[in-house]
Amino acid sequence: NAGVTQTPKFRILKIGQSMTLQCAQDMNHNYMYWYRQDPGMGLKLIYYSVGAGITDKGEVPNGYNVSRSTTEDFPLRLELAAPSQTSVYFCASSYSGQRQPQHFGDGTRLSIL
Amino acid sequence: GESVGLHLPTLSVQEGDNSIINCAYSNSASDYFIWYKQESGKGPQFIIDIRSNMDKRQGQRVTVLLNKTVKHLSLQIAATQPGDSAVYFCAEGGTGNQFYFGTGTSLTVIP
Repeated sequence: NAGVTQTPKFRILKIGQSMTLQCAQDMNHNYMYWYRQDPGMGLKLIYYSVGAGITDKGEVPNGYNVSRSTTEDFPLRLELAAPSQTSVYFCASSYSGQRQPQHFGDGTRLSIL
Repeated sequence: GESVGLHLPTLSVQEGDNSIINCAYSNSASDYFIWYKQESGKGPQFIIDIRSNMDKRQGQRVTVLLNKTVKHLSLQIAATQPGDSAVYFCAEGGTGNQFYFGTGTSLTVIP
């Protein structure tokens, strides 16, 4: 089992560029999440999805968009990259939401210059 | 909003000793708690969880204690090994679809 797979692992963007961070899971999990992790800070939730076709905002959604067309995939879109979006991004999944641990990918390290 | 904090940002222990990592949470309605381990360059990895109807839960070399009166959570690692060196996060949930994570404690095991 691959678990949660994130691509790319590293990326450098220029201010104003756009990109999509990919996330795929092969565990048939209903719930998927996107977090960002800044140095010395806890994980902050950007967006989450409880199933295909359903997404909702987390704590820090501004500047990001998501879609969930299939159970397996949950891409995160940055439309106009800003330096404040320099961070490590983690995707996670769980079978259900409230009382089950999440399985994380190994992250995408994104720098905006 | 939610807040989950850790008492110590760093912890160093001798190999073979026991480690204790603490976590405070603020939402008394939270009823599910998780400990994660994060190694350098990797995503968080699930260690152990506990529901609020329990005070203690044990896994392999790890024990989680929950004190709901003071909203405190701890992770005990027995006979700490070099491979235990990592950042440890607690997370609280159960009141919605979101979890709230602490900032993490960096554990260093001295051989």
